[in-house]
Amino acid sequence: GAGVSQSPSNKVTEKGKDVELRCDPISGHTALYWYRQRLGQGLEFLIYFQGNSAPDKSGLPSDRFSAERTGESVSTLTIQRTQQEDSAVYLCASSFGTGDEQFFGPGTRLTVL
Amino acid sequence: AQSVTQLGSHVSVSEGALVLLRCNYSSSVPPYLFWYVQYPNQGLQLLLKYTSAATLVKGINGFEAEFKKSETSFHLTKPSAHMSDAAEYFCAVTTRGYNKLIFGAGTRLAVHP
Repeated sequence: GAGVSQSPSNKVTEKGKDVELRCDPISGHTALYWYRQRLGQGLEFLIYFQGNSAPDKSGLPSDRFSAERTGESVSTLTIQRTQQEDSAVYLCASSFGTGDEQFFGPGTRLTVL
Repeated sequence: AQSVTQLGSHVSVSEGALVLLRCNYSSSVPPYLFWYVQYPNQGLQLLLKYTSAATLVKGINGFEAEFKKSETSFHLTKPSAHMSDAAEYFCAVTTRGYNKLIFGAGTRLAVHP
C-alpha cells in the first residue's frame, strides 16, 4: 500500500512569502504529526492531529505557523511571511492511533532566500 | 521534560566491524525509546523500539539495542557493519500514550571498505 506522501518535495521561496506544505497520510491512520528538521539537527515536533483536531500544538515556533487537517486525511502546514530561519526539511508522519508506530513521509525541503 | 543526547555526530567504521551508536535519554517517567534510520533522500524508517518489555530489543537489518535504566542509555549495535548501513541514525524518546517523539540530533554512520 501507499505510504505517507508529501508535496512539494522541494520549495524555494522568497523571504516574506507564504507557503503551504501538504501531507497525505496512510489511509486509515487517525493520527498525523508534523516535524521540522533543520540542517545538522534532529527532528523538532511541531503539531499533532488526532482526527481533525489538534490536541498538541506546542511545537509551532510562532504564530506565523499554522496547520489544518480535513476529512481525517490530508493536512496542510502553512507558513506565513517566511523567514530565512524557516529553511528546513518539514516531515509528516502518520500512525493508526495514538501510541502506534509513526510512519514518515519523505519530507518537503523548504529554502527561503 | 524529556530529552535525548546522541554522542558523536559522525561515526566511521570498516566493513565487518562492530557498529556502536550511543544514545542517552532523560525522562521523569518510564520512557519508550526508538531508533530510526534515514537513508539519503528517503523518509525515516523504524529500526527498533523499546516499550517496557524485554530490555534487549532486536530490530531490522541485524541491529539491536539494550535499554539500561541505571545508565539512562539505549545504545544501538550491530556486530558486523555492511556498506548498506551507511545512513543517518536517530534516537527518540516518548512516553506511554505518546503523541510526539523527542529526537536526538542524529549520528551519521559511514562504512568504509
